[in-house]
Amino acid sequence: GAVVSQHPSWVICKSGTSVKIECRSLDFQATTMFWYRQFPKQSLMLMATSNEGSKATYEQGVEKDKFLINHASLTLSTLTVTSAHPEDSSFYICSAPIGGTDTQYFGPGTRLTVL
Amino acid sequence: EDKVVQSPLSLVVHEGDTVTLNCSYEVTNFRSLLWYKQEKKAPTFLFMLTSSGIEKKSGRLSSILDKKELFSILNITATQTGDSAVYLCAAYSGAGSYQLTFGKGTKLSVIP
Repeated sequence: GAVVSQHPSWVICKSGTSVKIECRSLDFQATTMFWYRQFPKQSLMLMATSNEGSKATYEQGVEKDKFLINHASLTLSTLTVTSAHPEDSSFYICSAPIGGTDTQYFGPGTRLTVL
Repeated sequence: EDKVVQSPLSLVVHEGDTVTLNCSYEVTNFRSLLWYKQEKKAPTFLFMLTSSGIEKKSGRLSSILDKKELFSILNITATQTGDSAVYLCAAYSGAGSYQLTFGKGTKLSVIP
């Protein structure tokens, strides 16, 4: 099946620093990618829709200035958590639908721990 | 508001048992429904269902969609400990949108 990768797979940072997470579609182009956050024992919560060539669309309650999304190319979207706080510690997952189909694949996720 | 409801929320079975996981949905302009398996990392794709009554099958897993009653089931036969995971159901809504609405998941535990 199609592959979506994320980097890094885990990251530990100090409070107040910024962290960038990359999401890549490895064998297909993705004009749209999605960013989710998942807290322990909870389901995925959609944060934003990343659109290649235009601004991201954020879900209600998600601060766009804190979670910066850049969809730089048809295979890469980045999520930057700015001025991270311990409450931002979570599992961040991206997904991408294969163009023209409803099949959507998830990246392996990035576990962020903010000290 | 679009809604996907899964039941049961958790389930414990013995190896070899057959289980049925349920997913009901209420979404506007329903297009298709997806099942995922999530172990310790991100969800892995299992099935996508678009048409009613057509069973999708992969090994011991199968799934079917009922668009009249707005639900889907995921069956796992002869369960193994490796089937232990959270199974997520998600639905697309709206023409042209790839945004998924997820259920809370069913946590399946298979004990030897």
